[in-house]
Amino acid sequence: DAKTTQPPSMDCAEGRAANLPCNHSTISGNEYVYWYRQIHSQGPQYIIHGLKNNETNEMASLIITEDRKSSTLILPHATLRDTAVYYCIVRDDPLNSGGSNYKLTFGKGTLLTVNP
Amino acid sequence: GAVVSQHPSWVICKSGTSVKIECRSLDFQATTMFWYRQFPKQSLMLMATSNEGSKATYEQGVEKDKFLINHASLTLSTLTVTSAHPEDSSFYICSATTSGRAHEQFFGPGTRLTVL
Repeated sequence: DAKTTQPPSMDCAEGRAANLPCNHSTISGNEYVYWYRQIHSQGPQYIIHGLKNNETNEMASLIITEDRKSSTLILPHATLRDTAVYYCIVRDDPLNSGGSNYKLTFGKGTLLTVNP
Repeated sequence: GAVVSQHPSWVICKSGTSVKIECRSLDFQATTMFWYRQFPKQSLMLMATSNEGSKATYEQGVEKDKFLINHASLTLSTLTVTSAHPEDSSFYICSATTSGRAHEQFFGPGTRLTVL
């Protein structure tokens, strides 16, 4: 799976949009971009994933550049409860073959601190 | 939907004893379950992948005789830390996938193990 690079930390004001960048310059054609977050002392939580097109759900939006070498997770109106470590993960399509494609490799992520 | 529970949420044990941690998918059948370990201020490290009714696949460097994984049903996996030592003290997190939502991995709340 391709490696990802994220800033170690970011700050955001409550109510503002939080834009979390991720570089994945070695991503290959079958690999998806996933975002998870982990609030302190809890298990991670799935946020969103995408392949080529921008995606939006009730939690966030995912913007993937045309060359797919980077992406941005957007939390449109950050709240204090969004303070967490956000992980950007690149992984092959889990439906491609076997159980190994379900594995997630977590990097160090970005600690997002939402300030009042 | 797609809730994963872990029991216990925390446990303290004496060095040399064994500890069993349960991971259950409450409202779905899990095709694959994963076990992670997370040390303070570090990222999650995958320990093993297990499918119901078959032997777990351990990541490199994880002792399969020390970390026993049993995946007896589509809703239950257990991790037994045998002959625990203080260096095994960590946050253990399980996750599960289901065939209908292959792109998402659902995480449990984690179990804090402290070995005295």
